[in-house]
Amino acid sequence: SQTIHQWPATLVQPVGSPLSLECTVEGTSNPNLYWYRQAAGRGLQLLFYSVGIGQISSEVPQNLSASRPQDRQFILSSKKLLLSDSGFYLCACRGAGVFYNEQFFGPGTRLTVL
Amino acid sequence: AQKVTQAQTEISVVEKEDVTLDCVYETRDTTYYLFWYKQPPSGELVFLIRRNSFDEQNEISGRYSWNFQKSTSSFNFTITASQVVDSAVYFCALSEPYTDKLIFGTGTRLQVFP
Repeated sequence: SQTIHQWPATLVQPVGSPLSLECTVEGTSNPNLYWYRQAAGRGLQLLFYSVGIGQISSEVPQNLSASRPQDRQFILSSKKLLLSDSGFYLCACRGAGVFYNEQFFGPGTRLTVL
Repeated sequence: AQKVTQAQTEISVVEKEDVTLDCVYETRDTTYYLFWYKQPPSGELVFLIRRNSFDEQNEISGRYSWNFQKSTSSFNFTITASQVVDSAVYFCALSEPYTDKLIFGTGTRLQVFP
């Protein structure tokens, strides 16, 4: 089964600083990958998804960008963080085989922008 | 447009009580999947169940049961004889076909008191 790694686990950054969150996946190849954000006390919102290397779809206009330089690597970035970028960021991977219609989530990164 | 509504923001019960978490969804797709996830205080999303839109059979797993009714576009989740360890935020989600992007409800925070 798939294993999703995310780092860092927590991050505190000043407004205006850059951001790079990394997600890597084990146990599958050519998966669909997703970035979700959960703002404090709110539900999860899909930010980006990718169906393959270099293929990124953005769901909402925002201060963030995503890249997929390798099959099982998904990166979330920002050139200048805003206070509103604070939240819990979750990377997800679509399952394979009998789990094809399921999504598996990583442990998340908790980002605080001050 | 697709949408998931969890009208209950927070529910508090005493241990051993039964509790039902409501989920209502909207979609124009004929094929879709519905999910329930549990988010304990640690933050990770724990998969609980996936239901295919063509399978309206109710499902029971231990103390958990799910009632899927297409006629009312609902997919409710019942915990029987609740326990303190059930305290968490529970999310209902709907997937889009082909991309499997998940549309989440805003979540229901369940607190089970001893």
